[in-house]
Amino acid sequence: SQKIEQNSEALNIQEGKTATLTCNYTNYSPAYLQWYRQDPGRGPVFLLLIRENEKEKRKERLKVTFDTTLKQSLFHITASQPADSATYLCAEYRGGNKLVFGAGTILRVKS
Amino acid sequence: DGGITQSPKYLFRKEGQNVTLSCEQNLNHDAMYWYRQDPGQGLRLIYYSQIVNDFQKGDIAEGYSVSREKKESFPLTVTSAQKNPTAFYLCASMGDREPNQPQHFGDGTRLSIL
Repeated sequence: SQKIEQNSEALNIQEGKTATLTCNYTNYSPAYLQWYRQDPGRGPVFLLLIRENEKEKRKERLKVTFDTTLKQSLFHITASQPADSATYLCAEYRGGNKLVFGAGTILRVKS
Repeated sequence: DGGITQSPKYLFRKEGQNVTLSCEQNLNHDAMYWYRQDPGQGLRLIYYSQIVNDFQKGDIAEGYSVSREKKESFPLTVTSAQKNPTAFYLCASMGDREPNQPQHFGDGTRLSIL
């Protein structure tokens, strides 16, 4: 099945800055995307979902945008903190109640 | 608390041995999933079940088997036919049949070869 592409390199940022992670998805329609956080040795935890007809979704310091022309979603963490350090996974809904996950991007926030 | 419980947390398999990973949920969810996670790769779907007594193969079902005799339970057996079983195994559930609902995950079982 077609893959979901996320930044393969880790993202290192300074505390207080905005972290931006990228997810490039496929042509599956309708497009729905989900974002999860995964800590080492733990299962993923759901953060946000966004639908094709939504340009942006926010939850506290988190924001997800959706560009259906570029087939790309951006995940932002504002005022980042060391506790935000984790792997962030993007997942695309593929119908039949199934999700396809990207490999994830490691975020490291330094104090 | 409602959630998904996976056990054991660590499991070792000998050559030629079948091992079973447990997954129990008390969320009253219909759908359950098994994923395999390898370093640098996304979660890959092994099997899923949308209702009791029914399940479907995912993308990498070879060498694995499942059962769904109860709504709460979805055990995964890694058979001796799976030649590269070392990985982190994650179980998930989803409650609503509307599209694009979030999945709830357990904390995984790490399987290694002795």
